[in-house]
Amino acid sequence: NAGVTQTPKFQVLKTGQSMTLQCAQDMNHEYMSWYRQDPGMGLRLIHYSVGAGITDQGEVPNGYNVSRSTTEDFPLRLLSAAPSQTSVYFCASRKTGSYTFGSGTRLTVV
Amino acid sequence: GNSVTQMEGPVTLSEEAFLTINCTYTATGYPSLFWYVQYPGEGLQLLLKATKADDKGSNKGFEATYRKETTSFHLEKGSVQVSDSAVYFCALSDETGNNRLAFGKGNQVVVIP
Repeated sequence: NAGVTQTPKFQVLKTGQSMTLQCAQDMNHEYMSWYRQDPGMGLRLIHYSVGAGITDQGEVPNGYNVSRSTTEDFPLRLLSAAPSQTSVYFCASRKTGSYTFGSGTRLTVV
Repeated sequence: GNSVTQMEGPVTLSEEAFLTINCTYTATGYPSLFWYVQYPGEGLQLLLKATKADDKGSNKGFEATYRKETTSFHLEKGSVQVSDSAVYFCALSDETGNNRLAFGKGNQVVVIP
């Protein structure tokens, strides 16, 4: 099925560990983005990309890196996890019109 | 910058009651407006959208009208069901090349049988 695929669905990290959240879409969408969802905060934009080779920061980029080597993939890297990064992370893509969201990754940093 | 404000607090109501969730926005230019719904344990799904003033978006019995004069996009449904229990997010997309989506904080809706 076409859509946005996120892996893993759940992850527990220790403070200071690094990891990569994967996001892939098969709709040939140019625009991709990462959000984090925290209680009472809605969704906040971390990083986004308007096409392969182009990325930019959103509202809350600190502690996260991204790259966009292909149209399909947009991984989010946590270099040194902190408890403040405990959240649910959503990847979304868009070509024209509406956004398509992945099912999310629930990350806990202990 | 662009921002979206949703009414505070969860909404609890009985089955077949009328639902309204308020949403107001601040934006330059003419943004597109959206309502997304998140069912428990799932990602966000587009519920409805409107791309210009006075447009009405509708889906699954939900409606919202793009009111530029009041900068609002309130969500309504005439008779809710238990299956409508979810979190509802109002959002806007600016019309610059960045296509950034700004969300409100969301409203938890609980429908009691």
